[in-house]
Amino acid sequence: GNSVTQMEGPVTLSEEAFLTINCTYTATGYPSLFWYVQYPGEGLQLLLKATKADDKGSNKGFEATYRKETTSFHLEKGSVQVSDSAVYFCALKDTGRRALTFGSGTRLQVQP
Amino acid sequence: DTEVTQTPKHLVMGMTNKKSLKCEQHMGHRAMYWYKQKAKKPPELMFVYSYEKLSINESVPSRFSPECPNSSLLNLHLHALQPEDSALYLCASSQGGQTNQPQHFGDGTRLSIL
Repeated sequence: GNSVTQMEGPVTLSEEAFLTINCTYTATGYPSLFWYVQYPGEGLQLLLKATKADDKGSNKGFEATYRKETTSFHLEKGSVQVSDSAVYFCALKDTGRRALTFGSGTRLQVQP
Repeated sequence: DTEVTQTPKHLVMGMTNKKSLKCEQHMGHRAMYWYKQKAKKPPELMFVYSYEKLSINESVPSRFSPECPNSSLLNLHLHALQPEDSALYLCASSQGGQTNQPQHFGDGTRLSIL
């Protein structure tokens, strides 16, 4: 079956630090990969996506590259801000399956 | 601003009450979803509607009853809930159920069962 593994949190960084949140996946088909962000008290917002190998998704300074050879989709940002503090979920969707498969989520805390 | 609108934002109900959660989207999406999210956990899929027909029920107890009146609306009817049903209930939509297009989420209804 499909699965997504994310690094344990919380991740605590100082403002302007470099961010990496690791995500690896197992899938039977050719999935699309997503990062969602959830701010406190809110729903999930789509942050970025990649639909095939070597695609790079990017949005709001965040980037992730679909690496088929390492089955990874790590999230990166060059300089985090306090406003980036949230929970980040890596997810995949396989063709032929209606459900998203989520990772466990990684809480990011950015300190001023 | 989210393109999936959920009401109410908060709901407190007793175990004998009947209430409904509502979800609306105007993106022309043909698949709609209900998820349940407990604190510090990822969302768990409950139901999927595809082209207004129920296509997935993830063994959800019958005290939760979904309804899709049309392609833009999705309801979740609640009756005789238990305290462990307290959670954030998220609605989502996507272009089609089996494509690899992303799901777009609403802000959720935070439900508390007394």
